[in-house]
Amino acid sequence: LAKTTQPISMDSYEGQEVNITCSHNNIATNDYITWYQQFPSQGPRFIIQGYKTKVTNEVASLFIPADRKSSTLSLPRVSLSDTAVYYCLVPYSGAGSYQLTFGKGTKLSVIP
Amino acid sequence: DAGVIQSPRHEVTEMGQEVTLRCKPISGHDYLFWYRQTMMRGLELLIYFNNNVPIDDSGMPEDRFSAKMPNASFSTLKIQPSEPRDSAVYFCASSLGGENQPQHFGDGTRLSIL
Repeated sequence: LAKTTQPISMDSYEGQEVNITCSHNNIATNDYITWYQQFPSQGPRFIIQGYKTKVTNEVASLFIPADRKSSTLSLPRVSLSDTAVYYCLVPYSGAGSYQLTFGKGTKLSVIP
Repeated sequence: DAGVIQSPRHEVTEMGQEVTLRCKPISGHDYLFWYRQTMMRGLELLIYFNNNVPIDDSGMPEDRFSAKMPNASFSTLKIQPSEPRDSAVYFCASSLGGENQPQHFGDGTRLSIL
């Protein structure tokens, strides 16, 4: 059974680094873990994707341990505009099926 | 470049009516996804297509829901008959090259069934 767990909410002050962790069991062995950002009244927007170890782009880093049972999205020096809901998207496979499952999302509030 | 376009943005209708949601994916994308988002259940994948062919519809809640993709630039999600519990935001997304490649989402259709 696919199960993806994220903290419901987090608060952070502007300028701080924020780390959001997603825990996942039964993850497909050969596929990416992806993170999305969603603002109110908009669709989710792709942030970053990785398979293992560390991936960095211009907006975030993604850390994935060797067992791939979790992943951590790191947002450096957050600003008020980073206030949003952040979702991990995890592939699951088993019994001949393949599922992409979104976590329930972490609502990040950035405080001035 | 135009992103994923969904219509209508908002739909309010009475229980029992037929509802049709529309989606135009990004040109050239070969995967198209339909999601439903509610406070209680979060983002749920309903169905996805590859090259206009439905690949996995296991997330479609009931026979009242159906989805089609008659060509590479258009898809519909239909609910008939609609029920109040179908009230949600429905998103369409498209991707290039695989179901787990970065998905580009539309702004959604907010559906209210009275």
